[in-house]
Amino acid sequence: DVKVTQSSRYLVKRTGEKVFLECVQDMDHENMFWYRQDPGLGLRLIYFSYDVKMKEKGDIPEGYSVSREKKERFSLILESASTNQTSMYLCASSLGAMRETQYFGPGTRLLVL
Amino acid sequence: GENVEQHPSTLSVQEGDSAVIKCTYSDSASNYFPWYKQELGKRPQLIIDIRSNVGEKKDQRIAVTLNKTAKHFSLHITETQPEDSAVYFCAACRMNTGFQKLVFGTGTRLLVSP
Repeated sequence: DVKVTQSSRYLVKRTGEKVFLECVQDMDHENMFWYRQDPGLGLRLIYFSYDVKMKEKGDIPEGYSVSREKKERFSLILESASTNQTSMYLCASSLGAMRETQYFGPGTRLLVL
Repeated sequence: GENVEQHPSTLSVQEGDSAVIKCTYSDSASNYFPWYKQELGKRPQLIIDIRSNVGEKKDQRIAVTLNKTAKHFSLHITETQPEDSAVYFCAACRMNTGFQKLVFGTGTRLLVSP
């Protein structure tokens, strides 16, 4: 059974703080993704990675960066958190090689004050 | 880039009725269309998907249809049950070797009343 975990379920940060969200998958998946979920806007892709040290911008990368130093771990970084980054953040992974199903983590609800 | 529109945003049905959720996409090269279900407080999970070489796919009470000419696809749930209550997301992508970038619709909140 695929397991995708995220470091925190809830997080409260102050404006301007640097925030790290971590995601770990245990199924040797090639691809990893970071989405944010907001009411009425669905799931929007922030960044994705198809290999270690590789990253690609998604649809809303502004204000975010990512790091993938190991295959199983994909980190999302908010360099200077702002209130408009208050959201639910979902990590996902997929096997790659045309195996399309994305497996999601439980999500991190981030509140920036 | 791809754009996916999903309707309706909310859908209320009585238990036993059918429910239909519709999505349209803009990129004619998209060839993979999954549907994800997200129950309250839980993570999204794939429930069914369809590729562009197939017009319809069924799995028990759920089915998905695809009209490539019109660039729209739909999720059909028959004999709805209260446990079908959730938010449903459609998505589309152009399959490339190595990775798949899904573009999601905005979601449909389905409420099935007993």
